[in-house]
Amino acid sequence: DGGITQSPKYLFRKEGQNVTLSCEQNLNHDAMYWYRQDPGQGLRLIYYSQIVNDFQKGDIAEGYSVSREKKESFPLTVTSAQKNPTAFYLCASSIYGNNEQFFGPGTRLTVL
Amino acid sequence: ILNVEQSPQSLHVQEGDSTNFTCSFPSSNFYALHWYRWETAKSPEALFVMTLNGDEKKKGRISATLNTKEGYSYLYIKGSQPEDSATYLCAFWPGANNLFFGTGTRLTVIP
Repeated sequence: DGGITQSPKYLFRKEGQNVTLSCEQNLNHDAMYWYRQDPGQGLRLIYYSQIVNDFQKGDIAEGYSVSREKKESFPLTVTSAQKNPTAFYLCASSIYGNNEQFFGPGTRLTVL
Repeated sequence: ILNVEQSPQSLHVQEGDSTNFTCSFPSSNFYALHWYRWETAKSPEALFVMTLNGDEKKKGRISATLNTKEGYSYLYIKGSQPEDSATYLCAFWPGANNLFFGTGTRLTVIP
């Protein structure tokens, strides 16, 4: 089955620790995206990547980092510099040049 | 950051009722408007991608219209069923790399 997987579903971390969220897709999509959702707000773009070894900041990139070493994988690291990391994180992918996006199931990160 | 608004924020309807909700977006630099359906504990799924003014799309009991000149889209559900309960998201694409999402309308259909 083709799709996007995110792991883990729930993640708890202590304040001050970096944490990496996994996103893998087997749809052969070129572009991948990370969004954050907070209560009462729409999805906000953190980072996106259109091709391997290239990525761009979205609207709220501060305190986050990404890598795109493989087409299938786009991990997101939430660093200790992110002031309010507790949120729901969604990963998505799309065919390059096509804006229709396919989403993973999300990871809920709670920083204690 | 472009402003995309959805109303109402939440909605409760009885099974069998028809309902509709609104997505408002900037009327300039329009390329596409997306509707997604997001059920609890699942991934958002694309319902429609709309690109032309006056577009109407339909999938089963769900349909959508688009007015790019005035910057709004309506999503209609005819004869709501409990399985229609979900959050419905719209997303505006101005032709650049980003989709700009609204906050969603949470629909609850009461059996």
